[in-house]
Amino acid sequence: GGIITQTPKFLIGQEGQKLTLKCQQNFNHDTMYWYRQDSGKGLRLIYYSITENDLQKGDLSEGYDASREKKSSFSLTVTSAQKNEMAVFLCASSPSGTGGSQNTLYFGAGTRLSVL
Amino acid sequence: AQKVTQTQTSISVMEKTTVTMDCVYETRDSSYFLFWYKQTASGEIVFLIRQDSYKKENATEGHYSLNFQKPKSSIGLIITATQIEDSAVYFCAMRELITGNTGKLIFGLGTTLQVQP
Repeated sequence: GGIITQTPKFLIGQEGQKLTLKCQQNFNHDTMYWYRQDSGKGLRLIYYSITENDLQKGDLSEGYDASREKKSSFSLTVTSAQKNEMAVFLCASSPSGTGGSQNTLYFGAGTRLSVL
Repeated sequence: AQKVTQTQTSISVMEKTTVTMDCVYETRDSSYFLFWYKQTASGEIVFLIRQDSYKKENATEGHYSLNFQKPKSSIGLIITATQIEDSAVYFCAMRELITGNTGKLIFGLGTTLQVQP
């Protein structure tokens, strides 16, 4: 078994501020993901990374940067927080490969963002 | 584009009964993977069960099972002997191949299940 740790759990920012969210996993998984969850809109993919130092844009990458400096960690940066923005950011990881188990994602507990 | 649709916004059932949550999907892939996840009140998202499209048998995992109807592009989640602790939001998801062997999950909007005592 393993665990995905996201920090911080709660993040309050100011409009225009650059905010960084961190994610660590000890599954030794190759692929890591950042999803955003808004009320009523489900989960949408922001960025993903297949391996260390790899970065790929998802469906919602505008306004975000990401960094994968180590296999075990994946950071997400909100480049300029939007006023009244509220969302949950979820980090996930999965092993690589073609089988079903290799495509199963495991999630962290999330970071809840509020922008004043 | 691939798509996952959960038409039931919320369901309320009595404890110890069986509940089925619906999910239909769209894909052009000949081989694909379907998943159900549960999001608890704390926000934690937990993997429940997976169906591989090439398998004819419905997947089962504890008191969770799937009703996979491939011709209808349908993957229903069945929870038997429901418990209060099963109250949560349930998400259906499908893998979409991104590059090489790496996939991302496309999620439905979720079904909120409330189990009443």
